[in-house]
Amino acid sequence: QAVVTQEPSLTVSPGGTVTLTCGSSTGAVTSGHYPYWFQQKPGQAPRTLIYDTSNKHSWTPARFSGSLLGGKAALTLSGAQPEDEAEYHCLLSYSGVGVFGGGTKLTVL
Amino acid sequence: EVQLVESGGGLVQPGGSLRLSCAASGFTFSNSWMNWVRQPPGRGLEWVANIKHDGSERYYVDSVEGRFTISRDNAKNSLYLQMNSLRAEDTAVYYCAREKFNPWGQGTLVTVSS
Repeated sequence: QAVVTQEPSLTVSPGGTVTLTCGSSTGAVTSGHYPYWFQQKPGQAPRTLIYDTSNKHSWTPARFSGSLLGGKAALTLSGAQPEDEAEYHCLLSYSGVGVFGGGTKLTVL
Repeated sequence: EVQLVESGGGLVQPGGSLRLSCAASGFTFSNSWMNWVRQPPGRGLEWVANIKHDGSERYYVDSVEGRFTISRDNAKNSLYLQMNSLRAEDTAVYYCAREKFNPWGQGTLVTVSS
């Protein structure tokens, strides 16, 4: 099965902007991979932020956005808040089979 | 309120079996694809399996193919994961999630150890 890659860790300043990416070993990520982005804080279940590349749930803060960028799925956080410090996971779908990336630990500092 | 509640986790010996359940409420379960996802202690998420609303399609990660079976009972609004031939590397918190991963359950811990 495919391997999905994410940056292991990133740091952003409060109020700053950061982009997390999600790549695929099979080539360019497309909308057909239905990219998802999840936020997970210690001791909690994951929470879905973005589905199908760029769609948000009602609870997704407006400062998060999803897109395709340079052959990868991307999650951009604009105006980082201290509460955004968390692990972020992406998921791609390959003809019905899901594959998660290794996760990105985002530090707001 | 849309809710998923997992149960059935626990300690099992290598080679043993366990059946996880996920009780759904607050939405039309029979119209929804459902997923199982797991997370080993201190590690990332791993997608395990999913099943179409009528059970006619099922997909698995390679590492559990032939050992795990996902199933559902739409009359009982319940999702299941039958896990056989368990290995130490199957130790994880197991989550169920509705299609679009909205919502997730709170998870149930499976520990495979002698």
